[in-house]
Amino acid sequence: KQEVTQIPAALSVPEGENLVLNCSFTDSAIYNLQWFRQDPGKGLTSLLLIQSSQREQTSGRLNASLDKSSGRSTLYIAASQPGDSATYLCAVLNQAGTALIFGKGTTLSVSS
Amino acid sequence: SQTIHQWPATLVQPVGSPLSLECTVEGTSNPNLYWYRQAAGRGLQLLFYSVGIGQISSEVPQNLSASRPQDRQFILSSKKLLLSDSGFYLCAWSVASEAFFGQGTRLTVV
Repeated sequence: KQEVTQIPAALSVPEGENLVLNCSFTDSAIYNLQWFRQDPGKGLTSLLLIQSSQREQTSGRLNASLDKSSGRSTLYIAASQPGDSATYLCAVLNQAGTALIFGKGTTLSVSS
Repeated sequence: SQTIHQWPATLVQPVGSPLSLECTVEGTSNPNLYWYRQAAGRGLQLLFYSVGIGQISSEVPQNLSASRPQDRQFILSSKKLLLSDSGFYLCAWSVASEAFFGQGTRLTVV
């Protein structure tokens, strides 16, 4: 059974810092991996999607990498801002494309 | 562009009452549809997914059921709510593997 783990569970940084969020998964037979952002009481916003054949994706200040063989992904946030404060969720899609399994998230707080 | 509508945004229901949450998707055809629940302090739990009309798969046995009467409509139901059904319910859709989520329904069973 696929399990997704995110470390750390919470992170507090001052504005301007670069930071890395980690995600690991137990079954490397995935279709893709997706990073989401969730603001309190809200739905999920898709940030980056990495197909299983890709190594990384970039969007603005965000860069996500994928090492499928070792079951790891990282989300790199450059020059963090208070508006980046949210919970970041990692999810893997099984090869059948039918189940998106989530980690419990990393709650990020960026202070000004 | 594709959009997903989920309602209501909040709901307070007594124990033993029925439940119906609805989700509709616009701007796409034959999406995969999902219902998730997010309980306080816990991760997102996949409840049901559907790859087509009338095709429902349940991931976790519980007090809930799902139906897909139309291609872009997904309904989550219960005949009798339990206190443990409280949580944040999210509908999602995917086409070509990227998933998109609705804004969620906060259900409180009292």
